[in-house]
Formats: sequence, C-alpha cells, structure tokens
Amino acid sequence: KAGVTQTPRYLIKTRGQQVTLSCSPISGHRSVSWYQQTPGQGLQFLFEYFSETQRNKGNFPGRFSGRQFSNSRSEMNVSTLELGDSALYLCASSSVGGADTGELFFGEGSRLTVL
Amino acid sequence: TQLLEQSPQFLSIQEGENLTVYCNSSSVFSSLQWYRQEPGEGPVLLVTVVTGGEVKKLKRLTFQFGDARKDSSLHITAAQPGDTGLYLCAGSRGYQKVTFGTGTKLQVIP
Repeated sequence: KAGVTQTPRYLIKTRGQQVTLSCSPISGHRSVSWYQQTPGQGLQFLFEYFSETQRNKGNFPGRFSGRQFSNSRSEMNVSTLELGDSALYLCASSSVGGADTGELFFGEGSRLTVL
Repeated sequence: TQLLEQSPQFLSIQEGENLTVYCNSSSVFSSLQWYRQEPGEGPVLLVTVVTGGEVKKLKRLTFQFGDARKDSSLHITAAQPGDTGLYLCAGSRGYQKVTFGTGTKLQVIP
C-alpha cells in the first residue's frame, strides 16, 4: 500500500512569509504527527492529530499550527517565517495513535529553506 | 529537555567491524523503537521492543531493551556500507508524544 506522502518536497521562502505543508497518511491510519528536524536539535515533536483533534503538542511557538481533515490528511502552517525555521519537516502516520505503539511511518519530508 | 541520550553521536568504522549504539534515559518507556534514516529521506522503522530484557534480531542487527525499560542498545555485526545512516531510538509512554533520541550517525567505509 502507498506510504506517507508529503508535499512539497522542497521549498524556499523569505523571512516574514508563511508556508503550508501537506501530508497524506497511509490509508487507514488515523493519527498524523509532525516533527521538525535540524542538525543541531535533532527530531523535535510539533504536534499530533488523531481523528481531526490535536492530541499532543510540542514546545513550539504559536506561529506553528496544524489541522487534520476528515480523510486523515493533515496540513501544518508556519506563519511569519524566521531564518531558524529552516529545517526538514517530517510527517508520520500510525494506525491507532503514535503513542499507543510508538510505531511511526514517515514520509520523505518537506525541506524548507528560509532566506 | 532531551529525554533520550544516544551514544556515540558519530561512528566511522571499516566494513566488517562490529559496533554498538546505546540509547539511555532516566524515564521508563512502555515501548521503544529504533529507526534508520538515510540522507534526504524520512526515518524507517527497524524494530519495536516492549518487554524489559527483550532481545530482537534482524539479520545482523541485535536490539535489546533494558530490564527497567529505560535504555536500549543496537548491535551491528560485520557492518556493511549499506548500514550507513542516522540511527534513532524513540520511546513512547501511553498517549504521550513519542520522544526521539539525539541520534547516532554511522558511516561504514568499504
């Protein structure tokens, strides 16, 4: 079955702009988590959605937001971009809820560069 | 606060050598996963361990969960260039977020 699909794969923005990233989970998976990966900080948890509800949230400013649709697809938005937001943004899906089994299935990520 | 510390951070070895990567925490986890990530791709799940003292083998990779479920190790026998990548451990505790370790970057030189 198809894996997790993230779009776009690469994007370049300038400071102050906003960006929306999309994630389509594995068919049948109802939980979607988002992570930010940078060389210095590693994988940092942003938020998790389960059945359209945010179930967990990481320690990121309010500029980072997300949502999940009824078909389990998810989007995350970053407003007022800063240089430090440059990172690989990873989406992961799981069948029940990531924290239930801990088993996550990742997409290839969206590489965001902020100039 | 980083709950999972991995060591070493970097490892460069010759093909055929053995190696062990450690994942340590002061917290108890209900399950622990190991992932491998290659450049430009997302992490790929290798294994899940759930029982204290559990040992799982995946070809040349051996994973162990500590008795107290606070730590884990990954041992690779006769490493090959295809083993090159970033190894990540991750722990979960019920409905709380999954926490990832600091990562170990492995390079296997032919």
